[in-house]
Amino acid sequence: AQKVTQAQTEISVVEKEDVTLDCVYETRDTTYYLFWYKQPPSGELVFLIRRNSFDEQNEISGRYSWNFQKSTSSFNFTITASQVVDSAVYFCALLNNAGNMLTFGGGTRLMVKP
Amino acid sequence: DAGVIQSPRHEVTEMGQEVTLRCKPISGHDYLFWYRQTMMRGLELLIYFNNNVPIDDSGMPEDRFSAKMPNASFSTLKIQPSEPRDSAVYFCASSLFSDGTNTEAFFGQGTRLTVV
Repeated sequence: AQKVTQAQTEISVVEKEDVTLDCVYETRDTTYYLFWYKQPPSGELVFLIRRNSFDEQNEISGRYSWNFQKSTSSFNFTITASQVVDSAVYFCALLNNAGNMLTFGGGTRLMVKP
Repeated sequence: DAGVIQSPRHEVTEMGQEVTLRCKPISGHDYLFWYRQTMMRGLELLIYFNNNVPIDDSGMPEDRFSAKMPNASFSTLKIQPSEPRDSAVYFCASSLFSDGTNTEAFFGQGTRLTVV
């Protein structure tokens, strides 16, 4: 069985603050894939990033960055200089090696206040 | 590509009625997933298909739920009879298995179902 835990159910910050969303996962697979999705108030699920388990390089995309630590089974997501438009629910997800089981965490609701 | 297309976007129905949700995956994708999202349970996988064949339906809550994929470009999720506790947002997603790995799952905009 595999599991994804997002311990922070809700985070509130003021615009321009940096914020980190935590994600911890459990899996028996040695090869697996990690994802972050954003769900804005409009409801759709927007893909943000995919990370393969054999690639531990951290990634930066504009104000977004991801820290993958295989040793601690964590895949944290940081938003730098947050903006009101970042307000959404963010989901971390784990895909098994066979590619047929995509498990989501419970999500973290981020509220960025002006 | 227009992405994963779901219809309807919103559905309000009375308890006991049959409800059919529709999904058109991204062309060429060979995996199709149906998820349900509620406040209590978050995102739950209901069933998934590979090359139009249902592989795992262990997430389907009851016999009232059924899903079909008659061809590579169309899938339905049917609830009959519907109950108020079925109220949720239902997402369809598709992905492609290629070169030994899966792409990320691309989600439709969801169908918000309300059963009154």
